Amino acid sequence: GQNIDQPTEMTATEGAIVQINCTYQTSGFNGLFWYQQHAGEAPTFLSYNVLDGLEEKGRFSSFLSRSKGYSYLLLKELQMKDSASYLCAVRSPYRTDKLIFGTGTRLQVFP
Amino acid sequence: DADVTQTPRNRITKTGKRIMLECSQTKGHDRMYWYRQDPGLGLRLIYYSFDVKDINKGEISDGYSVSRQAQAKFSLSLESAIPNQTALYFCATSDFGGSFSTDTQYFGPGTRLTVL
Repeated sequence: GQNIDQPTEMTATEGAIVQINCTYQTSGFNGLFWYQQHAGEAPTFLSYNVLDGLEEKGRFSSFLSRSKGYSYLLLKELQMKDSASYLCAVRSPYRTDKLIFGTGTRLQVFP
Repeated sequence: DADVTQTPRNRITKTGKRIMLECSQTKGHDRMYWYRQDPGLGLRLIYYSFDVKDINKGEISDGYSVSRQAQAKFSLSLESAIPNQTALYFCATSDFGGSFSTDTQYFGPGTRLTVL
């Protein structure tokens, strides 16, 4: 079966650091994506991991452990505009290149 | 101009009506996708197309059909809309750069469909 788990909601304070976890059990793996989605808007690409380790992009970093079926998205120096949903998605290794999405983590940043 | 556009952006219709949602892209990507998003369920794949002659069902294709009119256009139809098709619909596109490339999916702005 295909299963991707993320916390439903998280809260944090402006300027702080927050870590959003994602665990997955899928039939095959060809990369993990993180997307940001503001309410009512399109998901926008944040990061991609296919090998184990940490990928850093400015205030955002993403980590992957394939053996543990685990990833996290780390957001540093939180800003109010970071209030959004964060979607974890795993890509199938087969010809389809389909993405399987988790239900998303809604992050609220407070002043 | 946006790379991926969807029309209409909002639509209210009645049960039993036929509805078409349209997606156009200027990114030059071969691959296009239709998803629906429901609260608490995340994004689910309806149909996907790798080129004009290659169309495939996703996980929730029942009640939907698609047409790939050109590389840049991919339409989703609801032949006879029902209330549980009320959702936010997204079109997405991606390129194919080989087995080890990112091939990020880029999403359109979405169509909010309400079926009464």
